[in-house]
Amino acid sequence: GDSVTQMEGPVTLSEEAFLTINCTYTATGYPSLFWYVQYPGEGLQLLLKATKADDKGSNKGFEATYRKETTSFHLEKGSVQVSDSAVYFCALSDTGGGNKLTFGTGTQLKVEL
Amino acid sequence: EAGVAQSPRYKIIEKRQSVAFWCNPISGHATLYWYQQILGQGPKLLIQFQNNGVVDDSQLPKDRFSAERLKGVDSTLKIQPAKLEDSAVYLCASTGLAEGTDTQYFGPGTRLTVL
Repeated sequence: GDSVTQMEGPVTLSEEAFLTINCTYTATGYPSLFWYVQYPGEGLQLLLKATKADDKGSNKGFEATYRKETTSFHLEKGSVQVSDSAVYFCALSDTGGGNKLTFGTGTQLKVEL
Repeated sequence: EAGVAQSPRYKIIEKRQSVAFWCNPISGHATLYWYQQILGQGPKLLIQFQNNGVVDDSQLPKDRFSAERLKGVDSTLKIQPAKLEDSAVYLCASTGLAEGTDTQYFGPGTRLTVL
């Protein structure tokens, strides 16, 4: 079945550091790929998405590129801020028609001054 | 535009008791999902509705969990009887799939603690 693997956390960075959170997936067909973010005490929010190979999703300085050849969708940001501290989830939607999401286990990011 | 509403936000019960959660999706969204998020894990789909019909309930423990969306708008998820391992955050999401978007919008969740 479909699965998503992402790097374990917590990831602790200093403000203005470069961020990479790795995500790889296993799926039949050609799923859409997503990054969701969960700030403390809040629900999941869509951060960015990509629907086909080589697409780049971007939002709020974050970006990720759909790499079919490596089945990856790594999240990057050039300069993190304290306000980026949250849990980040990589997910894919199945292509079987239901569009259900399969999530990774989440990566906690802590950004310190 | 109002987001997905869920209530209650928190619930503490003892094992073998019953509990119900409510969700009101974004207006006009035909597709509604319930996910279970156990601490330290990603959300896992329990059930998906398209209007008032069930699309996927393959991961729903049907011996104790039930869900309904009678009028194709709001939905309730029930657990009866609850077990310790049901302690989790229950997330509701909706999408305007019928309108061609696959983006799911999530509510704040209900945190259930079973003692």
